[in-house]
Amino acid sequence: QQPVQSPQAVILREGEDAVINCSSSKALYSVHWYRQKHGEAPVFLMILLKGGEQKGHEKISASFNEKKQQSSLYLTASQLSYSGTYFCGTDHAGGTSYGKLTFGQGTILTVHP
Amino acid sequence: GAGVSQSPSNKVTEKGKDVELRCDPISGHTALYWYRQRLGQGLEFLIYFQGNSAPDKSGLPSDRFSAERTGESVSTLTIQRTQQEDSAVYLCASSLGPVNEQFFGPGTRLTVL
Repeated sequence: QQPVQSPQAVILREGEDAVINCSSSKALYSVHWYRQKHGEAPVFLMILLKGGEQKGHEKISASFNEKKQQSSLYLTASQLSYSGTYFCGTDHAGGTSYGKLTFGQGTILTVHP
Repeated sequence: GAGVSQSPSNKVTEKGKDVELRCDPISGHTALYWYRQRLGQGLEFLIYFQGNSAPDKSGLPSDRFSAERTGESVSTLTIQRTQQEDSAVYLCASSLGPVNEQFFGPGTRLTVL
């Protein structure tokens, strides 16, 4: 039931773009994206609700394809501060599981000068 | 405004001992989550409290693990008869509701010798 993230790791030069994918085998109600820097707690990036909505946060945006049960996180013109591990958390809703997030294994993003 | 706080920040214990980990959520947040993160791994869901509803305990790995929450405030995660495989960072998060941004605490690093 854990969502699958790809790639597992990506290395970029400053200014390059990256896409991180999150796929689920179960129907999704919402997808949450978090970034965690080494030794720190995860920090919220954005939430996408079913409906194919695309959201943006500065140079980071995401899409949610309900039909394909997947979400993608887009990082454009990457900055050194983008380095960290990115996690998607999926909410399959329904009954008592509403609000419970199942996180993917993470994607390690490294941005070099 | 204080964020989510957890105590202790570090706990070293001997195998077989019981430990209690504490989480103080953000005031007014009805939802509270516990996660476990082993070194280099993703976030493993443990338990979820939402208001006065029965908690979702589906992620607790064994009956040695239990958690309580007093109303909509403090939560305690208890691990009885600790084992070496319990060593991990235990993260607590709170949110305004089920499908809202989760705010994570700094975590408790548990080491079982």
